[in-house]
Amino acid sequence: GENVEQHPSTLSVQEGDSAVIKCTYSDSASNYFPWYKQELGKRPQLIIDIRSNVGEKKDQRIAVTLNKTAKHFSLHITETQPEDSAVYFCAASRGSGTYKYIFGTGTRLKVLA
Amino acid sequence: NAGVTQTPKFQVLKTGQSMTLQCAQDMNHEYMSWYRQDPGMGLRLIHYSVGAGITDQGEVPNGYNVSRSTTEDFPLRLLSAAPSQTSVYFCASSYSRDTSYEQYFGPGTRLTVT
Repeated sequence: GENVEQHPSTLSVQEGDSAVIKCTYSDSASNYFPWYKQELGKRPQLIIDIRSNVGEKKDQRIAVTLNKTAKHFSLHITETQPEDSAVYFCAASRGSGTYKYIFGTGTRLKVLA
Repeated sequence: NAGVTQTPKFQVLKTGQSMTLQCAQDMNHEYMSWYRQDPGMGLRLIHYSVGAGITDQGEVPNGYNVSRSTTEDFPLRLLSAAPSQTSVYFCASSYSRDTSYEQYFGPGTRLTVT
């Protein structure tokens, strides 16, 4: 069945360093790839997303890259800050029409001051 | 706009009891979904709907029923609660547009089945 694998499950970085989280999806028909941030006890919130017709997208300190051939996509956070500490989830979807999100299992990011 | 609302926030059930988790959105979104979140397992899709009167199963539908009689509401029914259904449940809604299908999540319902 459809599957999204996410690595690593935990990641600790020093404040100011970069963090990279990677996901692999199985459904070749997926065309929409969002990333969500979830703080402790709160709801997931979208931080960045990318469509399959784009290879990279950037928003200030965060960026997402997509390799559709390899079915990989990654989240890059530069100049990390303590408030970046949270759980991050990737997801894959076929988007409009069938509409079905499959989420990865999450990465707990700790930014050490 | 209230966004996506869920009730109750917390619930304790005994094994075998039934209950309905409520979800409503006021953004006129066509798509709505229910997820459960368990430690180390991310968000798993239970059921989803692409519009009023249309529902479909997700990854883990067993033990749950849904209906979508209006655009705004998407209740989740637990037919006979089991301890394995102890989890945090999130409802989400979204619409499709050219570049994004962003999902908006509700605050969640923490359910414990004893």
